[in-house]
Amino acid sequence: AQSVTQLDSQVPVFEEAPVELRCNYSSSVSVYLFWYVQYPNQGLQLLLKYLSGSTLVKGINGFEAEFNKSQTSFHLRKPSVHISDTAEYFCAVSDIWGSQGNLIFGKGTKLSVKP
Amino acid sequence: NAGVTQTPKFQVLKTGQSMTLQCAQDMNHEYMSWYRQDPGMGLRLIHYSVGAGITDQGEVPNGYNVSRSTTEDFPLRLLSAAPSQTSVYFCASQGDDEQFFGPGTRLTVL
Repeated sequence: AQSVTQLDSQVPVFEEAPVELRCNYSSSVSVYLFWYVQYPNQGLQLLLKYLSGSTLVKGINGFEAEFNKSQTSFHLRKPSVHISDTAEYFCAVSDIWGSQGNLIFGKGTKLSVKP
Repeated sequence: NAGVTQTPKFQVLKTGQSMTLQCAQDMNHEYMSWYRQDPGMGLRLIHYSVGAGITDQGEVPNGYNVSRSTTEDFPLRLLSAAPSQTSVYFCASQGDDEQFFGPGTRLTVL
């Protein structure tokens, strides 16, 4: 069975500092990995995804993530955060993509960017 | 192209009442799903559908019913609301390699 662990429930950081949000997964088959962002009182928006190919994935808003199969990780990074990045971030995994894929979500990491 | 729409945005129910949360998409996607989001729990899959007439249970299906009579619509029914169903509900529609989420319905059961 698949599962996703987000290792930090809250991450406080100062503006313009780098940040890493950690995500580990378990899956016995092929994996497809995603990061979503949720701003306060809004729905989820896709930041980036790994389906195949290059293990370094670039997404929107300057975020990137690296798929590490040996460490079963998919950590999200940004070299310099802004106040507007304050949000909750969810890592998700699926083992079937296309029309029958179900996403398993982590419990979320709240990123708080302070001036 | 409105994407995924959900109604209502907010709802307050009394224990034992029933209601239907509406979800519609205009992207002609076959796959749709319902999640609930609770603090500290992430999103958990309630039910999903791979096409009109086909539905299946997710991780937390108890207390909820779904049907899929058209490609566009995927309503979620609460048959007899319980306080444990107080949550934010998200509908999603899946394209080739991305799920699109609706804005959510915030439900409170008293």
